[in-house]
Amino acid sequence: AQSVTQLGSHVSVSEGALVLLRCNYSSSVPPYLFWYVQYPNQGLQLLLKYTSAATLVKGINGFEAEFKKSETSFHLTKPSAHMSDAAEYFCAVSLAGNNRKLIWGLGTSLAVNP
Amino acid sequence: NAGVTQTPKFQVLKTGQSMTLQCAQDMNHNSMYWYRQDPGMGLRLIYYSASEGTTDKGEVPNGYNVSRLNKREFSLRLESAAPSQTSVYFCASNSGGSLYYEQYFGPGTRLTVT
Repeated sequence: AQSVTQLGSHVSVSEGALVLLRCNYSSSVPPYLFWYVQYPNQGLQLLLKYTSAATLVKGINGFEAEFKKSETSFHLTKPSAHMSDAAEYFCAVSLAGNNRKLIWGLGTSLAVNP
Repeated sequence: NAGVTQTPKFQVLKTGQSMTLQCAQDMNHNSMYWYRQDPGMGLRLIYYSASEGTTDKGEVPNGYNVSRLNKREFSLRLESAAPSQTSVYFCASNSGGSLYYEQYFGPGTRLTVT
């Protein structure tokens, strides 16, 4: 069965510091992986996705993620945090089949301190 | 191109009242989903519709019904609201093509049941 684990429900960084949000997946087939961001009182929007074309994926707002099959990980990073990055971040994996359901992690809340 | 729209944005119900949450997408997507979001529990799938004319239960369907009215619209009905249904509800859609096609989310409906 496929599953997604996000380590750390709350992460706090200083403005300008490295952001690292962790996501590990479990899948019996090659996965398609997604990172979404949710700003306060808004819906979710796609940050980036892994489609097997490249292991290092660049997304919006300076975020990137690296797919590591040996570690079953897809961690999200940003070199320098900005106050506007404060949000909830969700990792998800696409479920095989023709219904296009996603399996979601529980989310990580990122706080950015001045 | 409005994407995914949801109405209403906010709603307060008394226990036992009924209501319908509306969702529409203008991207000609085949698949549509209803999620609820509760603190610490991430996103949980209530119902989904893989294509027009079909609906299926997700993880937490009890107390809800859905209608895929046409390709554009997918509504969620609470027949007899309960305080446990206090949540933020999100509608999402997906083109239904490759597994790496992402879901697009609406802005959400905040529902309080007293």
